[in-house]
Amino acid sequence: GDSVTQMEGPVTLSEEAFLTINCTYTATGYPSLFWYVQYPGEGLQLLLKATKADDKGSNKGFEATYRKETTSFHLEKGSVQVSDSAVYFCALSDLDQGGKLIFGQGTELSVKP
Amino acid sequence: GAVVSQHPSWVICKSGTSVKIECRSLDFQATTMFWYRQFPKQSLMLMATSNEGSKATYEQGVEKDKFLINHASLTLSTLTVTSAHPEDSSFYICSASLSGTINDEQYFGPGTRLTVT
Repeated sequence: GDSVTQMEGPVTLSEEAFLTINCTYTATGYPSLFWYVQYPGEGLQLLLKATKADDKGSNKGFEATYRKETTSFHLEKGSVQVSDSAVYFCALSDLDQGGKLIFGQGTELSVKP
Repeated sequence: GAVVSQHPSWVICKSGTSVKIECRSLDFQATTMFWYRQFPKQSLMLMATSNEGSKATYEQGVEKDKFLINHASLTLSTLTVTSAHPEDSSFYICSASLSGTINDEQYFGPGTRLTVT
């Protein structure tokens, strides 16, 4: 079945550092790809998404490009802030699997001042 | 933005008892609600999908008689864990969407931590 694999955390960075969180996927169809963020004590929020190959999703300085050839959707941000500290989840939704969301295990990011 | 609440945020119950978790969409009507389960340092696993006024659709391996889901209105879904056992201890998360289709965003609640002693 479909699956999502993320790099393990926690990831600890200093403020203004460059962030990459790797995400790769396996899917039988042509999925849509998502990044969700969960701030402490809050529910998951959609951060960005891409629905087809070579699409780039972006929001709040974060971006990720749908790479079909490498089955990847890595999350990047050029300069992180303390307020970016959260857990980040990569996910896919595949019509071949009924359109349900399939999540990676989450990567905890901690940004130090 | 759309807000989804869950109640309670955490609950401790004794083995053999039942516990009910509520999921509410506060500022929109949700045709579809989803229930997930999350183990420590693991991904969210979809348990079931519920549509208002109809029976929930359970994922393979999820016991429908143990995890009772009711979606009685467009703003409320409940998950009842019946005859709870320690292995049911987990973090339960709900989400809601307007239509439940692939392009429709899901809005997530903050989760409920269940501990069964």
